[in-house]
Amino acid sequence: DTAVSQTPKYLVTQMGNDKSIKCEQNLGHDTMYWYKQDSKKFLKIMFSYNNKELIINETVPNRFSPKSPDKAHLNLHINSLELGDSAVYFCASSPGLPLGVNEQFFGPGTRLTVL
Amino acid sequence: DQQVKQNSPSLSVQEGRISILNCDYTNSMFDYFLWYKKYPAEGPTFLISISSIKDKNEDGRFTVFLNKSAKHLSLHIVPSQPGDSAVYFCAASLYSGGGADGLTFGKGTHLIIQP
Repeated sequence: DTAVSQTPKYLVTQMGNDKSIKCEQNLGHDTMYWYKQDSKKFLKIMFSYNNKELIINETVPNRFSPKSPDKAHLNLHINSLELGDSAVYFCASSPGLPLGVNEQFFGPGTRLTVL
Repeated sequence: DQQVKQNSPSLSVQEGRISILNCDYTNSMFDYFLWYKKYPAEGPTFLISISSIKDKNEDGRFTVFLNKSAKHLSLHIVPSQPGDSAVYFCAASLYSGGGADGLTFGKGTHLIIQP
């Protein structure tokens, strides 16, 4: 059973399009995240979402918006895609309090290519 | 501004020997540190973690050492096995109490175990 799953695994699209990446976790975790791994291989936090509280990395353009229909899902919507959005996007989840650790469990990633 | 640095992009170790991966950080507010292992086309997998109140944590073949005064941590793998060949990411967190905190990652070290 996959703990954190993402769809699609690969996404190729044209500049200017709007696209979504879906994420689901079956671990019962309270907190979910989106990370971006760019061409330099840095993994950077984009968003974290906990009990309807959204924490945004200030460097993320507002073309990116997370949507959480329920605790097990955190989807990523991207409007007006740009070439620089090409990257691998990872979803993650963590149990949060009261377990008191910040070990995050990652999905397999979605490779987005903007042409 | 890299707050977590892994200065060795790659490391080659003979099977059966000890692998030592190093990580430095600049933010003294970090108080929880993690190591993740990543295979190609997969998401990072949690390996081991350490709280800033400890200087050592051991789990089977994996040991993490933390030197707070030097802002340095290392991951020791002994004995190294072929399946350990992967990219290892060092990560740090501002809070050990969980919650919606993203991890700050280093660029990773590609460990190659040679037969």
